[in-house]
Amino acid sequence: EVQLLESGGDLMQPGGSLRLSCAASGFTFENHAMNWVRQVPGKGLEWVSGISGIGASTYYIDSVKDRFTISRDNSRNTLYLDMDSLRVEDTAVYFCARDLVSGWSKVFDVWGQGARVTVSS
Amino acid sequence: EVVMTQSPATLSVSPGVRATLSCRASQRVSTDLAWYQQKPGRAPRLLIYGASTRAAGIPARFSGSGSGTEFTLTISSLQSEDFAIYYCQQYNDWLSFGGGTKVEIK
Repeated sequence: EVQLLESGGDLMQPGGSLRLSCAASGFTFENHAMNWVRQVPGKGLEWVSGISGIGASTYYIDSVKDRFTISRDNSRNTLYLDMDSLRVEDTAVYFCARDLVSGWSKVFDVWGQGARVTVSS
Repeated sequence: EVVMTQSPATLSVSPGVRATLSCRASQRVSTDLAWYQQKPGRAPRLLIYGASTRAAGIPARFSGSGSGTEFTLTISSLQSEDFAIYYCQQYNDWLSFGGGTKVEIK
C-alpha cells in the first residue's frame, strides 16, 4: 500500500525551529518529486515547498524562502522540512504530498495525514 | 501570480443529482488544472489532472473539462461519500489553489 506518514508537528514559540519528517512506503521513493502543502484549519490549501526525485532541485513559496529547507534521504525513503524562524502565520497542518513524476509536475497524487504545527507565544 | 477563483462557495445538492463546480484562472493556464476532494479531518485526494484525466481509482461519475481560464468539475450523480470540499489547482505558472467549493447535502 502506498503510504506517507508525517511526524514532528508540535507547539512552538515564534522564532523557534522544527523539523517535520515524512516516511514513505509502498512505492519507489526516488521516482517521485515530493512536496509540502499546508492548510490553516478551516481554510484553503497552500503549497509550501517541493523537491525533485534525486533532490537536485528545490522549490519554495516566497514567504518561507531563507527560513524553510526541504530535503530528502532516498536511502531512508524520508522527506524532511526544516523550519527556522517560525512565525505565527506558519501555524497550519502540514501535508506531505507525492508528485506524479520524478521531475516536478506539481500534481499531487498521494497525501499523508498531516502534521499540526502551532506557533504561538 | 495566477489567482484561482471557485464558484459557488457552497453548493447544496440532493443525492443522485448532478453537480457542476466552476473554477476560473486569472490568466490562461492551458489544461494544467487539477481537482482535489477533501473531507473533514482528512487529506486531499487527487481526482482530476490535465483538466480532464481521472486519477487512478476515481469513479467515472467525476469528470473535468475546460481549458485556458474556465474549468468545470462535474459529478454526474452525487453519492453520499461525495459531500466534501473541492479545490482546483493550476500548475502552469508555478502553482496555486482555488478557495474551494463546499458540496453539502440539500
